Amino acid sequence: NAGVTQTPKFRVLKTGQSMTLLCAQDMNHEYMYWYRQDPGMGLRLIHYSVGEGTTAKGEVPDGYNVSRLKKQNFLLGLESAAPSQTSVYFCASSYLIGGAYNEQFFGPGTRLTVL
Amino acid sequence: GDSVTQMEGPVTLSEEAFLTINCTYTATGYPSLFWYVQYPGEGLQLLLKATKADDKGSNKGFEATYRKETTSFHLEKGSVQVSDSAVYFCALRVDSGNTPLVFGKGTRLSVIA
Repeated sequence: NAGVTQTPKFRVLKTGQSMTLLCAQDMNHEYMYWYRQDPGMGLRLIHYSVGEGTTAKGEVPDGYNVSRLKKQNFLLGLESAAPSQTSVYFCASSYLIGGAYNEQFFGPGTRLTVL
Repeated sequence: GDSVTQMEGPVTLSEEAFLTINCTYTATGYPSLFWYVQYPGEGLQLLLKATKADDKGSNKGFEATYRKETTSFHLEKGSVQVSDSAVYFCALRVDSGNTPLVFGKGTRLSVIA
């Protein structure tokens, strides 16, 4: 199993450009998440999904959109990139067993720079 | 709302020193508590967890005890190694609905030989 993978690993954008970050998991997990990590801020939740075809806003959703068309994929889109979106983006997935919450598995991250 | 407060870093220790990283929480319900570790250039990995009061999570020599009376989940290790250098995140999840994890801001640990 590859676990959680993210594409691309690095990207540089100019202000106003758009891009999509892809997250894929091969563990058949129901839940998927997108976080951003900034110095001194820890991880902040952008959007998340509790199943195929469903998404919900997290703590910092503005400027981002997401889609979960397939259970194994969770896409994060930036329609018009801004320098404030320079960050490291992490995807994660998790599952429930018998109603008990289990750990989140994280991808290796995507480092995005917006000039 | 739910929140996690960790001691600010960076924390610098010599090899074989004792480590404590403080974590306290505020939660509206009865949370499960977690410690995650992030090694340089990598994503986060679960280090240990505890799901009810007085539970002790342990892994790789690290321990943390769920203290409901003090709303704390402090991370400890008796003898740190250079390979423990990483960022450590405390997190909680209130087990109701589909709420995601709430993370602290992280504590960077550097262990020097």
